[in-house]
Amino acid sequence: EDQVTQSPEALRLQEGESSSLNCSYTVSGLRGLFWYRQDPGKGPEFLFTLYSAGEEKEKERLKATLTKKESFLHITAPKPEDSATYLCAVHSGSRLTFGEGTQLTVNP
Amino acid sequence: SQTIHQWPATLVQPVGSPLSLECTVEGTSNPNLYWYRQAAGRGLQLLFYSVGIGQISSEVPQNLSASRPQDRQFILSSKKLLLSDSGFYLCAWSARTGSRNTIYFGEGSWLTVV
Repeated sequence: EDQVTQSPEALRLQEGESSSLNCSYTVSGLRGLFWYRQDPGKGPEFLFTLYSAGEEKEKERLKATLTKKESFLHITAPKPEDSATYLCAVHSGSRLTFGEGTQLTVNP
Repeated sequence: SQTIHQWPATLVQPVGSPLSLECTVEGTSNPNLYWYRQAAGRGLQLLFYSVGIGQISSEVPQNLSASRPQDRQFILSSKKLLLSDSGFYLCAWSARTGSRNTIYFGEGSWLTVV
């Protein structure tokens, strides 16, 4: 059974304080690891897909990396508008298995 | 470009009443379609997925059912709602062809069963 564990559950940062979110996974036949951003009351917004160990992708202040067992979402110099819940998911077969998410709050 | 529409956005239903949530995708053909449920402050739980018209796979035994009457239409239903059916329901789609397909979500439907 595919499993995804995200840590920490919640993270508070000051504006400009860089940090990383972790996503550990066990899956048979990884087809991709996804990162989503979810604002309260909204559907998840796609950020990145990573397909193989060593792959990295960047978007503005966000950078996602992937190893064979985990993925990191690095946030550099975050701003208050980066506050959201960040969800990690693994794609195997025809299903997507989600972690519980990390709720990020960036204080001005 | 592809878009996904989901409605209604919010509804409050009494226990024992029926439910119908609809989802349509535009700008693509033969998509894989999904229904997820998200309890407050929790991750997403896959309820149903479909790889074609009339083809539905259920992930969790429950009070809900899904149907796909048309290629780009996915419906979540219940004959009699339970209090435990309350939650945030999300429809999603992905391209069927190829192995590297992103899954995109709609805006969700908030269901409160009272």
